[in-house]
Amino acid sequence: DIVMTQSPLSLPVIPGEPASMSCRSSQHLMHTNGYNYLDWYLQKPGQSPQLLVYLGSNRASGVPDRFSGSISGTNFTLKISRVEAEDVGLYYCMQVLHSPFTFGGGTKVEIK
Amino acid sequence: EVQLLESGGDLVQQGESLRLSCAVSGFTFSAFAMSWVRQAPGKGLEWVSGIAGSGDYSYYAESVEGRFTISRDNAKNTLFLQMTSLRAEDTAVYYCAKWREIDFWSGLTGFDIWGQGTMVTVSS
Repeated sequence: DIVMTQSPLSLPVIPGEPASMSCRSSQHLMHTNGYNYLDWYLQKPGQSPQLLVYLGSNRASGVPDRFSGSISGTNFTLKISRVEAEDVGLYYCMQVLHSPFTFGGGTKVEIK
Repeated sequence: EVQLLESGGDLVQQGESLRLSCAVSGFTFSAFAMSWVRQAPGKGLEWVSGIAGSGDYSYYAESVEGRFTISRDNAKNTLFLQMTSLRAEDTAVYYCAKWREIDFWSGLTGFDIWGQGTMVTVSS
């Protein structure tokens, strides 16, 4: 199975400041169509997960433009340009190139 | 309104079986692949199983392969997860989630709609 490793485990943030988190895959996630099959989710406290970014760098519908995803080989980064209080929660990356799909362990974003 | 409503979660003994359901409304169910994702108490997300929109192809995590069976009734807009030989480590909230295409490798990725989850507790 593809192993997804997220860091850091915990990310204290200051509202208005930028934040960044990483996800590394044990294998490449590039499909033959040229796209990286890596998605990002946010699970806010007490809620179900919500899709933030798909195919590594595309914001899902309705996601604020302060969220952005980038790709460098098997390293994936999710950035928040200016953190807002509503952004707290657990962020997960998930590879969907090969079954079984696998999630990273998550990064917990909390207000400092 | 697009909605996924899970049901069937319960407290069961180790070795017993349980069937989860996910009733869908607000979209053309047969046009989208679906999955079950679980979350053990205080833990992260774990993908459990997925099924193509047609129902012809299904996929499983190694931890449940041979014990769980995913299926769908497109006429009744319902997704199922039949769970047998349940273990204590299967204790979790089980979410059903809608994929954005009819199968998992045909275009857009991502689970864009999630249910609220149903709790399964397996007592040892």
